[in-house]
Amino acid sequence: AQSVTQLGSHVSVSEGALVLLRCNYSSSVPPYLFWYVQYPNQGLQLLLKYTTGATLVKGINGFEAEFKKSETSFHLTKPSAHMSDAAEYFCAVSPMNTGFQKLVFGTGTRLLVSP
Amino acid sequence: KAGVTQTPRYLIKTRGQQVTLSCSPISGHRSVSWYQQTPGQGLQFLFEYFSETQRNKGNFPGRFSGRQFSNSRSEMNVSTLELGDSALYLCASSQKSGTFPGGNTEAFFGQGTRLTVV
Repeated sequence: AQSVTQLGSHVSVSEGALVLLRCNYSSSVPPYLFWYVQYPNQGLQLLLKYTTGATLVKGINGFEAEFKKSETSFHLTKPSAHMSDAAEYFCAVSPMNTGFQKLVFGTGTRLLVSP
Repeated sequence: KAGVTQTPRYLIKTRGQQVTLSCSPISGHRSVSWYQQTPGQGLQFLFEYFSETQRNKGNFPGRFSGRQFSNSRSEMNVSTLELGDSALYLCASSQKSGTFPGGNTEAFFGQGTRLTVV
């Protein structure tokens, strides 16, 4: 079984500051890991994903995440926050060894960016 | 390339009624998954269809059902609506590159259908 824990339902940063959103996962098999962003009344947009290979994954809008198997973590970072980054962010996991498109999501972290 | 299209975007229904939501996947995508998003329960997997077959189902009552057509378009139906069914229903499509292992690919989400039950 897979599960995802996102620490902090809300994270506040100032514009230009480092963004760090935390995600820890639990999986009995090697996982695929994803970060999605959701703007109000919108669907989910994929920011980045880890499947296999390089553990540092770069995504859109300057975001990146590092897969750390020893820490079972996949934290999302961005060096400098922009006002447009204010949204809700979801970490998700799916099992690597099945063909099912079943994502297990964390509870989400709302990122607030102040000027 | 058109994205995932969900219709309608907004819907208001009365308790006890039934509702059908539609999802048109990205052209060439054969897998369609459905998710329910509520403030209390977050994002929860409903079911997944691939080539007109339900391959996996989440932990929802039998009032929630779905189907997929030969053109990969999918519908989900909720019968005997309850107030707690009010939610944003999201559809996601993905392109299958093969069966397992390693057949998982990223999911592209539609904008969702906001269902309000009164």
